[in-house]
Order: sequence, then C-alpha cells, then structure tokens
Amino acid sequence: GAVVSQHPSRVICKSGTSVKIECRSLDFQATTMFWYRQFPKKSLMLMATSNEGSKATYEQGVEKDKFLINHASLTLSTLTVTSAHPEDSSFYICSARPGTEAYEQYFGPGTRLTVT
Amino acid sequence: GENVEQHPSTLSVQEGDSAVIKCTYSDSASNYFPWYKQELGKGPQLIIDIRSNVGEKKDQRIAVTLNKTAKHFSLHITETQPEDSAVYFCAARAKFSGGYNKLIFGAGTRLAVHP
Repeated sequence: GAVVSQHPSRVICKSGTSVKIECRSLDFQATTMFWYRQFPKKSLMLMATSNEGSKATYEQGVEKDKFLINHASLTLSTLTVTSAHPEDSSFYICSARPGTEAYEQYFGPGTRLTVT
Repeated sequence: GENVEQHPSTLSVQEGDSAVIKCTYSDSASNYFPWYKQELGKGPQLIIDIRSNVGEKKDQRIAVTLNKTAKHFSLHITETQPEDSAVYFCAARAKFSGGYNKLIFGAGTRLAVHP
C-alpha cells in the first residue's frame, strides 16, 4: 500500500515552454500533497504544500506564478513549471500524506526535468 | 524554526557490519521522526519511523532510537548487505504557524556497503 506515482518520469523541454508533472496517490486519499525539488547530491527542498480544494502554500523564495500547483482531487496534484529556463532543470518529487491526522508521508519516484 | 543535522555525510562499511547514522533536531515540539532511503534516480522510500512517545523501534535489520532529552535520533542497520547502499535521510516533523506541519530533512548520508 501507500503508493505514489508521478508522470512523466523524464521530460525534456525547450526554454520558454511550460511542462506539467502529475502526482497521484494510487491506493489512498491524500488530503495533503507536497512538492520537492532536489539538486544533485543534495537534500530535498520543499517547494510547496497543497491541500485538496485550496490554494497551495509556497515556501519562501519559491515563485508561485512560475510553479503552479493544482490539487483538484484527493488523488491528484499537478505541478506546472511555466516559461521554463535551464536553471529550472532539476529532479522534482511529490509526496502525499494519507489524511490530515496521518504522520506518514510517502514519496513518488520523481521527475527529471531538463530544459534546453 | 526546526533544524536537523545529520552525520556522517558518507559511511563506508563491509558487508555484514553494522551502520549507524545520527541526527539531531532543535525544536523540542517535533513529534515524528521518519527515515528515508533513496536510491540513485529514485524517490525516497520510507523505511522506518518513530513518534516522540516511543524510545526505540525495530523492523528486522533496521532500528531507530530516539532520545528526546538530548534531541537526537539514530538509525541502526545490522548485517548490512550491498543492496543497503543508498542515501539515507532523516527528518523531523515540525509545526508552523497556520497550524500546518512539514518535514525538515537532514542533509543525507551516503552509505556504501562493500562485499
């Protein structure tokens, strides 16, 4: 149980275009989902927290107009990187918590974004 | 706010030996401490966790201990195997204003188990 999927696993896009990453909780309902960014050989950096049906809470320094997050259902959250630039190239990982009172947090397999 | 420090940054052991990774946290209100294993190119996998009302938890070859007074917790892996080689992250769950909580991660430990 507690499986989180992400799609796509890898994506290459041209500078200036937008790319959408999907995150799904496959066997549980996730009232809260998180989006992280990870640079090579570094720890996980939280970008934003989203609760189903409400606006995402962004961490300091994360541009909400550049990284659009939508948590439209209890099993799906999307991250759209708008007007992507090479510096947005990174490993993006989503995570989900099964319920507001739950402690556990499960991660997806990650999406490798390369902006050319 | 919460700060989590993790040591060592790299750890090399021989197959069959034990490995210990230590973390300290700063916020005494933190109440949940998970450990994640991340293999190259993959997402972190929850391997064990402990809540603040428990001092030790074990699951087969892995165990976690928590010392609330000293604000540190440790991951113990016994009888290490080459497939244990990965990056391990500790985390602490902290509460922030607005009532929401989030995990604060350590910097990670790269464990290499040599046959």
